[in-house]
Amino acid sequence: DGGITQSPKYLFRKEGQNVTLSCEQNLNHDAMYWYRQDPGQGLRLIYYSQIVNDFQKGDIAEGYSVSREKKESFPLTVTSAQKNPTAFYLCASSYGGRTQYFGPGTRLLVL
Amino acid sequence: KQEVTQIPAALSVPEGENLVLNCSFTDSAIYNLQWFRQDPGKGLTSLLLIQSSQREQTSGRLNASLDKSSGRSTLYIAASQPGDSATYLCAVKVQGGSEKLVFGKGTKLTVNP
Repeated sequence: DGGITQSPKYLFRKEGQNVTLSCEQNLNHDAMYWYRQDPGQGLRLIYYSQIVNDFQKGDIAEGYSVSREKKESFPLTVTSAQKNPTAFYLCASSYGGRTQYFGPGTRLLVL
Repeated sequence: KQEVTQIPAALSVPEGENLVLNCSFTDSAIYNLQWFRQDPGKGLTSLLLIQSSQREQTSGRLNASLDKSSGRSTLYIAASQPGDSATYLCAVKVQGGSEKLVFGKGTKLTVNP
């Protein structure tokens, strides 16, 4: 099956801890994205990558970091500098400017 | 800065009713506009994509229109069903080579049996 997987489904972070959210796609898409969704809000772009080994900041990149070492993988690290990390995180991918395909999401909660 | 607004924020209708969801955007320089569906606690599913040169797209009971000059799009759902209950999100892709999508906050639709 082709698609985007995100893990874990739920993630708990202790204060001062860095946590990493996984995003993998087997669609052979060049571009990948990370969004944050807060209750009653639309999606806000954190980071995106259009090719391997390259990525750009989105609208709310502070407190987050990413890497793109492989085409199929785009992990997101929520650092301790992100003071309000509780949210639903969505990963997406696309090819050739076409529609973005979304993963099932990871809900991050703070202990 | 592009801003996307969706009205109403929530809508409740009886089964079988035809309905319209609204989306407006502040900058008409868009590459395309998409409508997505999101079920609670899930990711987004693309419903319809309208290129900036198009006026409308149809898929089954769904019809999306685009009026770029006025900065408006509508999603028409015919003969609504309880299974249509979800949040519907509108997003525009800005011109300029970026792959960025700008999202509205969504309309939460409830179709009552």
